[in-house]
Amino acid sequence: DAGVIQSPRHEVTEMGQEVTLRCKPISGHNSLFWYRQTMMRGLELLIYFNNNVPIDDSGMPEDRFSAKMPNASFSTLKIQPSEPRDSAVYFCASSLGAPKEKLFFGSGTQLSVL
Amino acid sequence: GENVEQHPSTLSVQEGDSAVIKCTYSDSASNYFPWYKQELGKRPQLIIDIRSNVGEKKDQRIAVTLNKTAKHFSLHITETQPEDSAVYFCAASSGYSTLTFGKGTMLLVSP
Repeated sequence: DAGVIQSPRHEVTEMGQEVTLRCKPISGHNSLFWYRQTMMRGLELLIYFNNNVPIDDSGMPEDRFSAKMPNASFSTLKIQPSEPRDSAVYFCASSLGAPKEKLFFGSGTQLSVL
Repeated sequence: GENVEQHPSTLSVQEGDSAVIKCTYSDSASNYFPWYKQELGKRPQLIIDIRSNVGEKKDQRIAVTLNKTAKHFSLHITETQPEDSAVYFCAASSGYSTLTFGKGTMLLVSP
């Protein structure tokens, strides 16, 4: 199994631009998570999907952030418009079963907003 | 909601020494406590976990202990090696809730 696949690995953009991060979970996993990692705040849960349905989006910072999961094998996290404070590493993770069970993280996307 | 505090934020040890990282949680209903290791530039990976019906769990050089009364749990690494150098995250959850992570501990093992 290739594991959780994220793209791109690195994204450099200018303030105000739209950014789209992509994730392919492990086949058969029914839970998908988007996390943001910064030095100051650590690992923050942004949104959690179960069976493609958003269950908890309380961690989404503001309306500039949106996430979709159109099918079991693909999810996107979009930031529009992007701001310098959005600079962080964004991880996608998937798991099988209950949301607290073993998470498999992707390699992450390093986002820099200039 | 759940709040997880992790200490220390950084820890430096000599190779062969033991390392202990401690976490406290706020929600008495929490019943699952995993630990994740993140090497520099890599993804977090689960290294060990413990459930509330168990007080201690070991896996080779790593062990986790849980004190439900005091609402704290700890990661113990014995005979540390340079490859143990990483950031370690504790987490807690209850029922069907998602994990709440601590802020992480950067462990540096010097040869």
